[in-house]
Amino acid sequence: GAVVSQHPSWVICKSGTSVKIECRSLDFQATTMFWYRQFPKQSLMLMATSNEGSKATYEQGVEKDKFLINHASLTLSTLTVTSAHPEDSSFYICSATLAAYPTRFQETQYFGPGTRLLVL
Amino acid sequence: DQQVKQNSPSLSVQEGRISILNCDYTNSMFDYFLWYKKYPAEGPTFLISISSIKDKNEDGRFTVFLNKSAKHLSLHIVPSQPGDSAVYFCAAHLYPDKLIFGTGTRLQVFP
Repeated sequence: GAVVSQHPSWVICKSGTSVKIECRSLDFQATTMFWYRQFPKQSLMLMATSNEGSKATYEQGVEKDKFLINHASLTLSTLTVTSAHPEDSSFYICSATLAAYPTRFQETQYFGPGTRLLVL
Repeated sequence: DQQVKQNSPSLSVQEGRISILNCDYTNSMFDYFLWYKKYPAEGPTFLISISSIKDKNEDGRFTVFLNKSAKHLSLHIVPSQPGDSAVYFCAAHLYPDKLIFGTGTRLQVFP
């Protein structure tokens, strides 16, 4: 099946530093990758949609200058949390869609294992 | 504005019995719905889905029912097993690739 990895799985950083999270599709090419954030006991909230080679599309209320997304290739997208603050502490999950899999639309997004960010 | 709602944050069911997880939505433009299972500190894993033109889809112990007029769907797990204990998210798909998630229901199956 389609596998999506994330690195790191855990990160603890000081307030004011920047943190980069990588999302990779390991055995398929992903035309689109998505970044979600989940606060405790809450839903996964879509932050942004990124397509390879183009600028990411951010959801309303998500600061594009704070959450920098780069989708340099069909297998890699990165999310950089710039000048992180304690309120950015959350669980960040990426997902990826297969390049061409029209008959299995039910599984259009494959999720990574997530990255737990704790900002002190 | 929560377009997908799971009003029960938790559910406890005895092993062997039926688990019923509910989900309500507001947007009639959703073209299909999915259920995901999630363990702590892991990403969601796909469980089962249903197209908006169907009213039932079954896969082994899992069945999803869709009532479009009521904008309501449910996931039935029968028989429930301890390994089913997890958080279940209902998600609605909006063309072309957007998923809107509910807040999740924590299912606990006890022996």
